[in-house]
Amino acid sequence: GAGVSQSPSNKVTEKGKDVELRCDPISGHTALYWYRQSLGQGLEFLIYFQGNSAPDKSGLPSDRFSAERTGGSVSTLTIQRTQQEDSAVYLCASSSSMGGGTDTQYFGPGTRLTVL
Amino acid sequence: KNEVEQSPQNLTAQEGEFITINCSYSVGISALHWLQQHPGGGIVSLFMLSSGKKKHGRLIATINIQEKHSSLHITASHPRDSAVYICAVIARKAAGNKLTFGGGTRVLVKP
Repeated sequence: GAGVSQSPSNKVTEKGKDVELRCDPISGHTALYWYRQSLGQGLEFLIYFQGNSAPDKSGLPSDRFSAERTGGSVSTLTIQRTQQEDSAVYLCASSSSMGGGTDTQYFGPGTRLTVL
Repeated sequence: KNEVEQSPQNLTAQEGEFITINCSYSVGISALHWLQQHPGGGIVSLFMLSSGKKKHGRLIATINIQEKHSSLHITASHPRDSAVYICAVIARKAAGNKLTFGGGTRVLVKP
């Protein structure tokens, strides 16, 4: 594929259910980021994967949030026991960066999560 | 106080007008991004800057590292420029290239 893809594009769930959001980065990109965009908070960083290094989880808002990246490619963001405040657009981005802030991040279309 | 502040929050212009959006940040950075988000659309990276000035078509981005300030200019604005423009920085102290975002500037260009 030409760009970053995410699935599903929309997800409606009931409070207390678990959800999984998927991100397929651009082939060959070693860095992968998850961000969240909510009405009250704007855009915020969640988690960052770089190659085989341990992920930077410093942005995850609670221990209900986790993410993994299998084989250095596809990533899954899991939210357990969803709450209404988790409603947001979850964005994935990838870059070929090896660090140093010199590479463009390419964003996926996002997954709009609504928790009822 | 947020680490990245944008002004104005909202901007309305007539087609053809020159538009300026400002971004100030309070941390040392390794790079600054300008992003564009159309209504219902995804986010597109317009520029990445660490010094000086960049130009792409009718868009110009400048950065002053000493003053911790960047501007995005749109010349000869067009209704299709209507979007939210977001400034984001990579803090020098941050591991990796994670972005810290400004609140965005919603631009509406009227025909």
